Amino acid sequence: AQSVAQPEDQVNVAEGNPLTVKCTYSVSGNPYLFWYVQYPNRGLQFLLKYITGDNLVKGSYGFEAEFNKSQTSFHLKKPSALVSDSALYFCAVSKVDSSYKLIFGSGTRLLVRP
Amino acid sequence: DTEVTQTPKHLVMGMTNKKSLKCEQHMGHRAMYWYKQKAKKPPELMFVYSYEKLSINESVPSRFSPECPNSSLLNLHLHALQPEDSALYLCASSPLGEGTQYFGPGTRLLVL
Repeated sequence: AQSVAQPEDQVNVAEGNPLTVKCTYSVSGNPYLFWYVQYPNRGLQFLLKYITGDNLVKGSYGFEAEFNKSQTSFHLKKPSALVSDSALYFCAVSKVDSSYKLIFGSGTRLLVRP
Repeated sequence: DTEVTQTPKHLVMGMTNKKSLKCEQHMGHRAMYWYKQKAKKPPELMFVYSYEKLSINESVPSRFSPECPNSSLLNLHLHALQPEDSALYLCASSPLGEGTQYFGPGTRLLVL
């Protein structure tokens, strides 16, 4: 069965420090991998994706993610956190087929302290 | 422009009411989606339309009725809802193939 795991319900980091939000997946074949961010009472906003190629993917607002095939992980990172980065982050996987379905992780709340 | 719009932003309805949620995109995407999201939970897929035809129904109760009148519009008709249907309803669209989904801001629905 396909699944996405975000092992941390919440990540706390001080402003200016690096942040990492973890994601691991279990999907057969070569999936597409995504990160989305959701601010309170808003829809999901696309941050970045991995399809193929370079394992380090750069996205919006200074975020990047590292794809590790052997560990089936796709961790979200940012070198220097901002208070405004505080939000709910979802990792998602899409199978390379015609179903167009996204499988979401449970979400990780990021709290950046001033 | 990667914008998906949804109306209304908020909706309060009684269990006997009929209402509709609307979603629009002008990115030329041929796949459109409805999701339901409860607080602090990931979105749950409800329906997928591909080329204006329903391709996936995730066993959604018939009190939710989707409609795709054309390639830019997606509606969700609501009838005889239950209080547990209160949630944020998200619409998304994507190009077929690689399929990055772009989400609208959602409609927050309260069923009394």
